[in-house]
Amino acid sequence: TQLLEQSPQFLSIQEGENLTVYCNSSSVFSSLQWYRQEPGEGPVLLVTVVTGGEVKKLKRLTFQFGDARKDSSLHITAAQPGDTGLYLCAVSQGGSEKLVFGKGTKLTVNP
Amino acid sequence: GAVVSQHPSRVICKSGTSVKIECRSLDFQATTMFWYRQFPKQSLMLMATSNEGSKATYEQGVEKDKFLINHASLTLSTLTVTSAHPEDSSFYICSARTGLHHNSPLHFGNGTRLTVT
Repeated sequence: TQLLEQSPQFLSIQEGENLTVYCNSSSVFSSLQWYRQEPGEGPVLLVTVVTGGEVKKLKRLTFQFGDARKDSSLHITAAQPGDTGLYLCAVSQGGSEKLVFGKGTKLTVNP
Repeated sequence: GAVVSQHPSRVICKSGTSVKIECRSLDFQATTMFWYRQFPKQSLMLMATSNEGSKATYEQGVEKDKFLINHASLTLSTLTVTSAHPEDSSFYICSARTGLHHNSPLHFGNGTRLTVT
């Protein structure tokens, strides 16, 4: 059973469009992280959300942590080709140091 | 900023040989490093936690005798894939935290693409 379910698995949109991707679980987490990974490279941390209901903005990216701290969303406004990549959510399992990743959403933004 | 460096970035080896991958923390000390494996179009799967000065902790299903991990210093961990087979072909990525708390940022290397022929 996958701890984190990400949807959609694939998303292909045109430049300028808005999009939202989701990370869901039946478990409660103390924090959740979003990463972006480009082909052939390691993931890069975008944000960490900690408080239920928290909203964080990073330029055109808006991250929200669910009130119950079981899910999160990432909204991108006016997507650009540079936003193309694999978006991964991750959590520390059982309060440990280990990070568990979702399967990711592969986003393609076409010019 | 903190940087984690992996070497080599790509390696091709013949079946039955061993390959060593290095993971270095360049401007910070890391008592713990993590090794992940990523198959094509899949997410990162944690293989093991590398602990400086002690034995690594392996995840369920990962063979410790096949994937040898050595963390001899605070800035270097190595993963050796022994007697590699084609099914070991994958993208191997290491990571390390800059702080002690499990919420401190986790920095990833750029990965090593292993192809076993």
